[in-house]
Amino acid sequence: DSGVTQTPKHLITATGQRVTLRCSPRSGDLSVYWYQQSLDQGLQFLIQYYNGEERAKGNILERFSAQQFPDLHSELNLSSLELGDSALYFCASSPQAGGTGELFFGEGSRLTVL
Amino acid sequence: AQKITQTQPGMFVQEKEAVTLDCTYDTSDPSYGLFWYKQPSSGEMIFLIYQGSYDQQNATEGRYSLNFQKARKSANLVISASQLGDSAMYFCAMREVNNAGNMLTFGGGTRLMVKP
Repeated sequence: DSGVTQTPKHLITATGQRVTLRCSPRSGDLSVYWYQQSLDQGLQFLIQYYNGEERAKGNILERFSAQQFPDLHSELNLSSLELGDSALYFCASSPQAGGTGELFFGEGSRLTVL
Repeated sequence: AQKITQTQPGMFVQEKEAVTLDCTYDTSDPSYGLFWYKQPSSGEMIFLIYQGSYDQQNATEGRYSLNFQKARKSANLVISASQLGDSAMYFCAMREVNNAGNMLTFGGGTRLMVKP
């Protein structure tokens, strides 16, 4: 158990809908990362938050947004969903924003868009 | 250019034999960390082993060892005495200290299949 909690574990929805994925980092970790893993794209970095502030952006679509709340949990919002958004979405956390140490991954949220 | 390259999309290994999964990386940052993760069919990412760029010795964790060749920019994972439960996807990843986001960058993965 990494200590990172993601909900929901599975989600099935229709094209055009909006969903919210939630992540609770390990206790004390200030930095949260979101990754998307689809069959054809591998593991892609989406966005990072540190202590409530956006720190880095990767290949995140404009239809997607995220935020980190004062209690440090984070939410990834996916809107106007398309079939290609079907993927496994991971959240990871680390104590700080910098360094070269381990990121701790949640078990992922598997999104299926029909 | 790809930052992390895993050239073996899939590999077979006989149970109880050793196997090496290849990983090469590209960075100009003198300070970085290299990681290997295992992803079984259930989907979770399991951390296996870490090597820091300044570490003098190769990292080992039980049956896992990392063959770190800095000059060649390679960080191969060696699994000794393979077990059926080792069948999974394996990802090599890098974290650079001077990368603004300091995120992990992943390779494309290698699917390892252990034969009984």
